[in-house]
This record gives sequence, C-alpha cells and structure tokens, in this order.
Amino acid sequence: DTEVTQTPKHLVMGMTNKKSLKCEQHMGHRAMYWYKQKAKKPPELMFVYSYEKLSINESVPSRFSPECPNSSLLNLHLHALQPEDSALYLCASSQARTGGRYEQYFGPGTRLTVT
Amino acid sequence: GENVEQHPSTLSVQEGDSAVIKCTYSDSASNYFPWYKQELGKGPQLIIDIRSNVGEKKDQRIAVTLNKTAKHFSLHITETQPEDSAVYFCAASRRYGNNRLAFGKGNQVVVIP
Repeated sequence: DTEVTQTPKHLVMGMTNKKSLKCEQHMGHRAMYWYKQKAKKPPELMFVYSYEKLSINESVPSRFSPECPNSSLLNLHLHALQPEDSALYLCASSQARTGGRYEQYFGPGTRLTVT
Repeated sequence: GENVEQHPSTLSVQEGDSAVIKCTYSDSASNYFPWYKQELGKGPQLIIDIRSNVGEKKDQRIAVTLNKTAKHFSLHITETQPEDSAVYFCAASRRYGNNRLAFGKGNQVVVIP
C-alpha cells in the first residue's frame, strides 16, 4: 500500500483567514514533504521533515508554517496568504530522506484558492 | 544544482502506438531517476524508476532506459491506451544526499482513440 491521504480536497480562504492542510500516511515512512504545484508546472519543494524534524525549508515565506506532530502526520498551517499562493498543495512521503529507500509517493493534493 | 530538461512538451499518439519521452540531466552525480504520471485533478503517481547501476527497466507496457554517458533517460510506453493520457514528469536526484527531486517541466501525452 502506497497511500498518502490529504484533507481537505478543496479549500477557499480569504487573505485574513487561518487554515490548515493535513496529510497522513501509514506506510511507516520517516520522511514527509510539502510541495506546491501551479497549473502546467512541476511540483516545487517547500519543506522536508525527516524523523519528525524539519530538515529542509526552501526559503518559504513565514505565512506557511509546517508541523509534524508524529511520524504519520504532517500539517501545513496557513495564515495571511496572498492570491498568488493559490495552487495545488501536495504532500509526499518516502521511507527515508536519503539512502536506500527514498521513493517519494504523493497524495492527491489540496486545491487552495485564496480570495 | 541539477537541471532536468524534458522533450517534447506535448505528444499525441494513436491508440495502440508507442510513445517515447526523453529527459536530459546535468548533474553527473545524480543516480536515481523516477517517472511520475499525473492525471487531471490528481497527485503525481510514481509509475517507474531506475537507478544508475541499471541501463533498462521494464514493467508491463512501460520501460525506462538510462544512458549515463550521455546523461539522458527515456520513458517508453507501448500499446498506448486512452487511460495513458496524462502529464508525465521525469525527475533526477542523488540517492545519498538530500534527495531533492529535480523535475522536468512535464509532457502532456494525448492518446487518440
């Protein structure tokens, strides 16, 4: 089973709202990722967690705040977003961040619209 | 950093024909090359991958070939079916390192029934 689940599927929020995206995997993977994908573009890496610790932040604005409460869960907290932040937000996981088992499996994504 | 180029950007094929997508990479230290298929409204799905110690890998109608000397790798889909219509992304990364996937820009494959 290579399933990564994400909720919600769609989210519309105003620029002053606070919302959270949730990602879950039960494959025992110890690395989890957030990506942002604009239409007709490849995914862009935002954050990487390895063993529940933030290991990579790709200079993402502070209005995006990741959290990894445990090895199965990954959240992305959103606050004071801009319309240009509208995109598909993808979560992925891999058995490890590096080394032998690093195949990344993606969830279905959350389609975010900022109004 | 790694730069992956993907060609062509759009490919239309008749059902039953073969489709080939080519990618080139710049970092000779890259040694892991996955291919993802993304259907409309869905997340990318890992369909096949290859490591640098292997020249070719096949899984049913899908195959990937790697030429390390020329730094390019290709996805081959045989006997295409309408459900193969999707955007395909190639990527490259180093196995031992930070495992950042460098993606190509994507290729829209349209299978015409």
